[in-house]
Amino acid sequence: DAGVIQSPRHEVTEMGQEVTLRCKPISGHNSLFWYRQTMMRGLELLIYFNNNVPIDDSGMPEDRFSAKMPNASFSTLKIQPSEPRDSAVYFCASSPREPGELFFGEGSRLTVL
Amino acid sequence: AQSVTQLGSHVSVSEGALVLLRCNYSSSVPPYLFWYVQYPNQGLQLLLKYTTGATLVKGINGFEAEFKKSETSFHLTKPSAHMSDAAEYFCAVRGQGAQKLVFGQGTRLTINP
Repeated sequence: DAGVIQSPRHEVTEMGQEVTLRCKPISGHNSLFWYRQTMMRGLELLIYFNNNVPIDDSGMPEDRFSAKMPNASFSTLKIQPSEPRDSAVYFCASSPREPGELFFGEGSRLTVL
Repeated sequence: AQSVTQLGSHVSVSEGALVLLRCNYSSSVPPYLFWYVQYPNQGLQLLLKYTTGATLVKGINGFEAEFKKSETSFHLTKPSAHMSDAAEYFCAVRGQGAQKLVFGQGTRLTINP
């Protein structure tokens, strides 16, 4: 079975540009999570979906960040406009029902210049 | 509410020595407990999990962890460290009925030759 698939793996962009990160969860999983990882702040949960519905977006840093899950097999995380402090590795993870362990993608490394 | 504390952000052991990574949790409901490993430039990979039943859980790569309810601990051990074990390790908790995992801050394991 294919795991969680994220694209792009690496993105370098300039401040002010729009960035879209994409995720395809594992088929049959009902929850999807977006995390951000930095040296300073570690692993942070940004938002998660249950059955394609956003449940908790309290970790989204500010209005520049938005996430969507139009169907069970696709999600996006968008940053507009991007800033240098958004540079991080962004992980997508999906999970089945109980006990709900997470299956992580390889991550998207974002560098904003 | 759930929380996780990993004691020691960095642990260094010699090759062949015992590995012990400490994790304490708090949970208002019976917990599910997880250990993840992250190798450089990769996503997090599930090492092992405790859900119900036997409190000693065996995982991949020779690791195991014991759920001790009285001590609210879930320490990760491996009898003999290998160079390939060098990575970052994350402990996580999820309360039964809760939807998201709560991660610890991670412990970076270094193996000395």
